[in-house]
Amino acid sequence: AQSVAQPEDQVNVAEGNPLTVKCTYSVSGNPYLFWYVQYPNRGLQFLLKYITGDNLVKGSYGFEAEFNKSQTSFHLKKPSALVSDSALYFCAVRDHNAGNMLTFGGGTRLMVKP
Amino acid sequence: EPEVTQTPSHQVTQMGQEVILRCVPISNHLYFYWYRQILGQKVEFLVSFYNNEISEKSEIFDDQFSVERPDGSNFTLKIRSTKLEDSAMYFCASSGEGYYEQYFGPGTRLTVT
Repeated sequence: AQSVAQPEDQVNVAEGNPLTVKCTYSVSGNPYLFWYVQYPNRGLQFLLKYITGDNLVKGSYGFEAEFNKSQTSFHLKKPSALVSDSALYFCAVRDHNAGNMLTFGGGTRLMVKP
Repeated sequence: EPEVTQTPSHQVTQMGQEVILRCVPISNHLYFYWYRQILGQKVEFLVSFYNNEISEKSEIFDDQFSVERPDGSNFTLKIRSTKLEDSAMYFCASSGEGYYEQYFGPGTRLTVT
């Protein structure tokens, strides 16, 4: 069985400061990892993915994430937060041996204050 | 930029009634999915569909649920006899051949009264 944990319900940062949204996962095989963002009344918008290769992946809007196999983590980061980054962020995992189904974490609300 | 669209945005129905939720996936995508999110809970996988048949389904996707691709553009989720606990946001998603990420629609909020 696969699972994802996002230990923080909410993360608060000041605009211009770096942000980190945490994610840990559990799969039996090799993981495919994803971050999605949800703005109010919108669907889940794909941000970035880790499939294989370089552990640091870059995505949309200046976001990046680091895959750490030993810690089974895939934390989302951005060097300088914007107020417009305020949204709900979801981490998801797919076991590459177990079909296309995504398993999501519970989501983390990011609040960026001016 | 192509998007997944879903209709209606909000559906209210009475317990025991049938509902059909509609989705138009991205046009050149081949894999289609339904997920749901009960208020305050995680997004949960329901079913995936490829080559006109179900390829995976979760325990949630029991006999009261069915999916169909009635034509070249639509992908539907039918709930035959709705229950109060079916109230949730239902998301449709699609993905292309050779692509790992799934693209989600804005969701249909289903309220069963």
